[in-house]
Amino acid sequence: SAVISQKPSRDICQRGTSLTIQCQVDSQVTMMFWYRQQPGQSLTLIATANQGSEATYESGFVIDKFPISRPNLTFSTLTVSNMSPEDSSIYLCSVEDLGGQYFGPGTRLTVT
Amino acid sequence: QQQVKQSPQSLIVQKGGISIINCAYENTAFDYFPWYQQFPGKGPALLIAIRPDVSEKKEGRFTISFNKSAKQFSLHIMDSQPGDSATYFCAASLGGSQGNLIFGKGTKLSVKP
Repeated sequence: SAVISQKPSRDICQRGTSLTIQCQVDSQVTMMFWYRQQPGQSLTLIATANQGSEATYESGFVIDKFPISRPNLTFSTLTVSNMSPEDSSIYLCSVEDLGGQYFGPGTRLTVT
Repeated sequence: QQQVKQSPQSLIVQKGGISIINCAYENTAFDYFPWYQQFPGKGPALLIAIRPDVSEKKEGRFTISFNKSAKQFSLHIMDSQPGDSATYFCAASLGGSQGNLIFGKGTKLSVKP
């Protein structure tokens, strides 16, 4: 299956700033997903990012707050904009490959 | 209709025992049911997945049992080991593995030596 890396692995950010998270895959994949996992909680889908088209956002998530880029078949970025402490979470990208959905290691974000 | 309900929230099993985690869903259109294992500080790892045309799937010590009429599926871990101690998530999606995964709330498994 695809090997997925994310940068940064963790960060501590000030309220009101923005952070861009990178997701790199070692093979070309059509579908990439961004999830959020709040502390001690389950995973919630933020958006689906397919190359060559606009990201599709789930209810409760908007492009102004979580802009996504998907410039090619191996890379995507998620930006968390104008952060508040409520945005403190683990952000994970995943890809569909070989009939399964596989996750990256996650980016642990703390907003102070 | 989009929820996946997972139980128990936590589970303690002795080494060598069988761990059983259950999930229930409402949306009969779901067509893909994976299980993930997550260790602290790591991303979820895909363990095993099943589609609704199959009642059981086994991979090593891990088995999914699927009951379409009851809208339930479960994960069985045979011969549980301390290294299996992790949080397990069930999920369901429309559109197979390309669909948006709806996750259960997770089960924290502790296997005692």
